[in-house]
Amino acid sequence: KNEVEQSPQNLTAQEGEFITINCSYSVGISALHWLQQHPGGGIVSLFMLSSGKKKHGRLIATINIQEKHSSLHITASHPRDSAVYICAAGYNTDKLIFGTGTRLQVFP
Amino acid sequence: DAGVIQSPRHEVTEMGQEVTLRCKPISGHNSLFWYRQTMMRGLELLIYFNNNVPIDDSGMPEDRFSAKMPNASFSTLKIQPSEPRDSAVYFCASSLAPGQGWTQYFGPGTRLLVL
Repeated sequence: KNEVEQSPQNLTAQEGEFITINCSYSVGISALHWLQQHPGGGIVSLFMLSSGKKKHGRLIATINIQEKHSSLHITASHPRDSAVYICAAGYNTDKLIFGTGTRLQVFP
Repeated sequence: DAGVIQSPRHEVTEMGQEVTLRCKPISGHNSLFWYRQTMMRGLELLIYFNNNVPIDDSGMPEDRFSAKMPNASFSTLKIQPSEPRDSAVYFCASSLAPGQGWTQYFGPGTRLLVL
């Protein structure tokens, strides 16, 4: 069964802290997606990666294929980073299996 | 580009009524996805289309749900009859092409409440 697990479920941080959100999956994938869902409900795709590391501004996503694990890092966190972060595993089709999300709150 | 457009943004209806959700994908995108999000189950794929053809509808919960894509710029998700357990946020997303190499762009969602 294809499963995607995220940790932690909830995360609070002070502004400026370094944040890590973890995602593990049970079966080999073709791509791993990281999504951000804003408090208003909108969903934005942050990263899609199948190997190595990607960086966009203060966000970094890494994946270890052998360990079936990915991490999303936020450097110098800011209150506007407060959102739900969702990882999703893509297999050999267009179908995505979603994790349950990590709710991040960054306080000033 | 206007992004993925969904309508209505909010829908409140009574049990037993028919509900139709609409989606306009980004122009030029060939893949379209319908998702449902609930507190209990998170995000789930209901169905997706490539070039207007349904590819995988295994996520459609039951026969009360149906989806169509009559052309490249329009899709509908219909629930008939609706039930309270259908209350959720329904997202439509599109991507440039089939396959995992393409980012999915999400619409703002339709928040459905069935009383």
